Amino acid sequence: QVQLVQSGTEVKKPGSSVKVSCRASGGTFTTYIFAWVRQAPGQGLEWIGRIIPMFEISDSPQNFKGRATITADKSTTTVFMELSNLNSDDTAVYYCAAGYYYGSSSLSYWGQGSLVTVSS
Amino acid sequence: DIQMTQSPSSLSASVGDRVTITCRASDYISGSLNWYQQKPGQAPELLIYGGYTLQSGVPSRFSGTGSGTDYTLTISNLQPEDFATYYCQQSYTSPTWTFGQGTKVEIK
Repeated sequence: QVQLVQSGTEVKKPGSSVKVSCRASGGTFTTYIFAWVRQAPGQGLEWIGRIIPMFEISDSPQNFKGRATITADKSTTTVFMELSNLNSDDTAVYYCAAGYYYGSSSLSYWGQGSLVTVSS
Repeated sequence: DIQMTQSPSSLSASVGDRVTITCRASDYISGSLNWYQQKPGQAPELLIYGGYTLQSGVPSRFSGTGSGTDYTLTISNLQPEDFATYYCQQSYTSPTWTFGQGTKVEIK
């Protein structure tokens, strides 16, 4: 069973970048898939991308390609999501989530969320 | 990318009611369908995976059915703690595990 603890609130200017971290504990890091999902105020859940540390593979849908970079540090069991060229539409709570790689292709574990506000 | 369409977008129900939420995929997803519950100010929680398998600790009043492109979440005997927003998610395609737009279950 893995616990996910995310970094804190960020306030950023338009055009800048933000890097959110998610530290995993209590499980074997490389046996999980980690995903990033965001939720704008009053809106639904939006998939940003995922990383599979076992294979050092990360991917994102087309609408985030080139802007979202997802990485993992096995030595600190931490995953990161960096989003560049921020605009006001990127204001959201960003969630890190994890699912067992050999399991059911679902996200059983979630972090507490990190609020990112983009404002001039 | 596969699109997920949930219906209804919201509903009002009373404690003890039976509630049904549907999720339709724009293409075949082979049972790779998950349901999550989200309460205000909290992270989502996994309820059902693989279309019908209850996550450990989830009450048996929740059930999932479906195949192909059409899936259903049913809550029988609705309880006060079940008032929340529910999301479906397909995990059939890479790199995107798409979410539905959500269904808010409110108290009548």
